[in-house]
Amino acid sequence: DTGVSQDPRHKITKRGQNVTFRCDPISEHNRLYWYRQTLGQGPEFLTYFQNEAQLEKSRLLSDRFSAERPKGSFSTLEIQRTEQGDSAMYLCASSLAADNSPLHFGNGTRLTVT
Amino acid sequence: SQKIEQNSEALNIQEGKTATLTCNYTNYSPAYLQWYRQDPGRGPVFLLLIRENEKEKRKERLKVTFDTTLKQSLFHITASQPADSATYLCVPNQAGTALIFGKGTTLSVSS
Repeated sequence: DTGVSQDPRHKITKRGQNVTFRCDPISEHNRLYWYRQTLGQGPEFLTYFQNEAQLEKSRLLSDRFSAERPKGSFSTLEIQRTEQGDSAMYLCASSLAADNSPLHFGNGTRLTVT
Repeated sequence: SQKIEQNSEALNIQEGKTATLTCNYTNYSPAYLQWYRQDPGRGPVFLLLIRENEKEKRKERLKVTFDTTLKQSLFHITASQPADSATYLCVPNQAGTALIFGKGTTLSVSS
């Protein structure tokens, strides 16, 4: 399978703990995106990379969130000091660098903060 | 601020009918508009892209229109089937900015 893969699929953590999610994009894709989705809402943009450069971050992304794409391949999203409001599906997508390129999504990591 | 409105959070139709989903946007000048399908517990899947200079685009039973004057896109599924039941997401695509998704319309097709 050469699609976007995300790990883990599910994560349950206690409030205050740190969590890290991984995304492996389609290998020839330059761009990598992170979105967050809660029930009944569309995916909410968090941040995106072109190769290893982080080009845009949502103003909604608090200081507790950090994302990296160290070698322009896989990416990690870390949430520090998790809060119950962080419970959501975290989606990763990748695309070619052209502005009209469609996004290819993984099936997400579902985070539950207790 | 940029805003996307997908009218009707839920749409229920009978098998065989045409489903029409509406997407309106404000404070955007998109060069493209994309439509995605999302099934429960899965990531969105790309369906169609339409450019600002295209009035209409078709793919099998799907048809999308794009009216930059009205700032609106319509998404049609003809001869709908229960397997078309899903949430459909509209994404106006402005060059140089990240893709922002609408809330989606959940379509239910009953047999």
